[in-house]
Amino acid sequence: SQQGEEDPQALSIQEGENATMNCSYKTSINNLQWYRQNSGRGLVHLILIRSNEREKHSGRLRVTLDTSKKSSSLLITASRAADTASYFCATSDTGRRALTFGSGTRLQVQP
Amino acid sequence: DAGVIQSPRHEVTEMGQEVTLRCKPISGHNSLFWYRQTMMRGLELLIYFNNNVPIDDSGMPEDRFSAKMPNASFSTLKIQPSEPRDSAVYFCATHHGGGITDTQYFGPGTRLTVL
Repeated sequence: SQQGEEDPQALSIQEGENATMNCSYKTSINNLQWYRQNSGRGLVHLILIRSNEREKHSGRLRVTLDTSKKSSSLLITASRAADTASYFCATSDTGRRALTFGSGTRLQVQP
Repeated sequence: DAGVIQSPRHEVTEMGQEVTLRCKPISGHNSLFWYRQTMMRGLELLIYFNNNVPIDDSGMPEDRFSAKMPNASFSTLKIQPSEPRDSAVYFCATHHGGGITDTQYFGPGTRLTVL
């Protein structure tokens, strides 16, 4: 099965609300990254958290990592309509350079 | 920097035809990745190169797929012969990194439709 499974698969919220997406993975990792994909476009890197970090912030983004539970969460605070996109977690396994992407969460922010 | 450049952006072809997708990485990036994205299977890694050398091609679905990186500024992904199940969006991504995987920069993708 796929490394990096996001939950929920789809999320619809109102502008101004917070959005939380979760990601679970199976193997030991070097780091975990979150990417955003707008419809019809390529993926854009948002934030990277290393395996020895527990929390990281970047603007309205907050990422947590729990290596004991093999899970991560992405929180987008004060969401905007422009945040509407699909969000993917990606893991870098120890011993392997390439990333493995999850199935993504489709976020819809209603204005 | 123009970012990762892919061409064509859209390709429609008939089953059995040869398809060549092209990628120009960001200058100075020494790793290049080819991904395929479909609704059913999500984003799959096909192959990646480091310093122009193929490192892992275990994701290449079958012998109909081949990829080359003749120099640091160009890579191709070829499908010969193409089949309808190859219809997908193909992304090229690159990064400049050392030992540990770091941020990848994606191109806009090539949407391939095989009729």
